[in-house]
Amino acid sequence: GAVVSQHPSRVICKSGTSVKIECRSLDFQATTMFWYRQFPKQSLMLMATSNEGSKATYEQGVEKDKFLINHASLTLSTLTVTSAHPEDSSFYICSAQGGGNTIYFGEGSWLTVV
Amino acid sequence: GNSVTQMEGPVTLSEEAFLTINCTYTATGYPSPFWYVQYPGEGLQLLLKATKADDKGSNKGFEATYRKETTSFHLEKGSVQVSDSAVYFCALRSFGGTSYGKLTFGQGTILTVHP
Repeated sequence: GAVVSQHPSRVICKSGTSVKIECRSLDFQATTMFWYRQFPKQSLMLMATSNEGSKATYEQGVEKDKFLINHASLTLSTLTVTSAHPEDSSFYICSAQGGGNTIYFGEGSWLTVV
Repeated sequence: GNSVTQMEGPVTLSEEAFLTINCTYTATGYPSPFWYVQYPGEGLQLLLKATKADDKGSNKGFEATYRKETTSFHLEKGSVQVSDSAVYFCALRSFGGTSYGKLTFGQGTILTVHP
């Protein structure tokens, strides 16, 4: 079946630095990818919708200058958390839309800001 | 926009017990409901889905029927196993209105099954 890969699966960074998370569709092209954030023991919150070759559409309350999303190709979208702070520590998960509008999720990335 | 409400947990059962996790929703457009499962430390996996009214999705012994008249998609399993311990998310996707194409998730229900 279709596979979506996220990298890194776990990352620890220092406060004030930036960290990039990659989301790749391995065996299909995805014109649309979605980025979610999940706090411990809570549901997934959609952060933004990423469309290949255009600017991402951010959900209300999500800082677009802090969470930079780039969808430069049909198989890769990246989320960069800029000037990270401890409150940005979370589980970030992407999904990619494949053929027939089917959604496939990545494995998720644990970010810890110290 | 769309909203999904699912039964609050946590739910604790003994092995071989019957499981029901309720899920109801409000949506615009033409919604499709899903159940996702998240095992400890892992990402989301699609458990089952339905595409039209009265469809029954099933997988790994789990079932859910899309009831348009009650806007519900309750998850059931006749005999749970310890390996079913996970967080279960009800989700909705519609292709109309302001939530076009997006997945909206319920709050998740933690299931723990004891031997």
